[in-house]
Amino acid sequence: GAGVSQSPSNKVTEKGKDVELRCDPISGHTALYWYRQSLGQGLEFLIYFQGNSAPDKSGLPSDRFSAERTGGSVSTLTIQRTQQEDSAVYLCASSRGGGENIQYFGAGTRLSVL
Amino acid sequence: QQPVQSPQAVILREGEDAVINCSSSKALYSVHWYRQKHGEAPVFLMILLKGGEQKGHEKISASFNEKKQQSSLYLTASQLSYSGTYFCGSRGGATNKLIFGTGTLLAVQP
Repeated sequence: GAGVSQSPSNKVTEKGKDVELRCDPISGHTALYWYRQSLGQGLEFLIYFQGNSAPDKSGLPSDRFSAERTGGSVSTLTIQRTQQEDSAVYLCASSRGGGENIQYFGAGTRLSVL
Repeated sequence: QQPVQSPQAVILREGEDAVINCSSSKALYSVHWYRQKHGEAPVFLMILLKGGEQKGHEKISASFNEKKQQSSLYLTASQLSYSGTYFCGSRGGATNKLIFGTGTLLAVQP
């Protein structure tokens, strides 16, 4: 596609429910990243996928968070048993995976946990 | 560890200059600079690799001193369109992962 696509753009859920956030990277990009941005805060690294290698999960805040990337393309970030502190904008980015490795960001999913 | 940026916020008049600094406690392989406008996704500005090079993009340039583990972003003759939050992203080695800095909010007023 022309750019990184994320869906849904907004998600409101109740505390304790599970949510799935989707990211479609730029075609041909082998690297995919998830970040979390709380209101007025910076970009918190969550997880990074590079080709067929094992993902770098070092930024996931708890075992309620998981992500997968199917077929080296689309990725899903899952948050189980959501808590109010999970409310944030979740950003996805993709890159070629080599060279300068510029990251291109999607518009994000704004998650609100009531 | 997250790179520290300074200042946290700066307000300018159109035409004024600004410098944003990014310091890391870890050795850096490269530094990326991004700008994020309110409610939008971050957008790539430039990348600096080891070697102390400087780069320029219109009236925005940057430097990278790997010995000091620091990078600076220079905005000259600022325009209203420069307003936003600027993030540096540090890359520490073979990984493509970026750790983003604390951010600097820049507001340019007429």
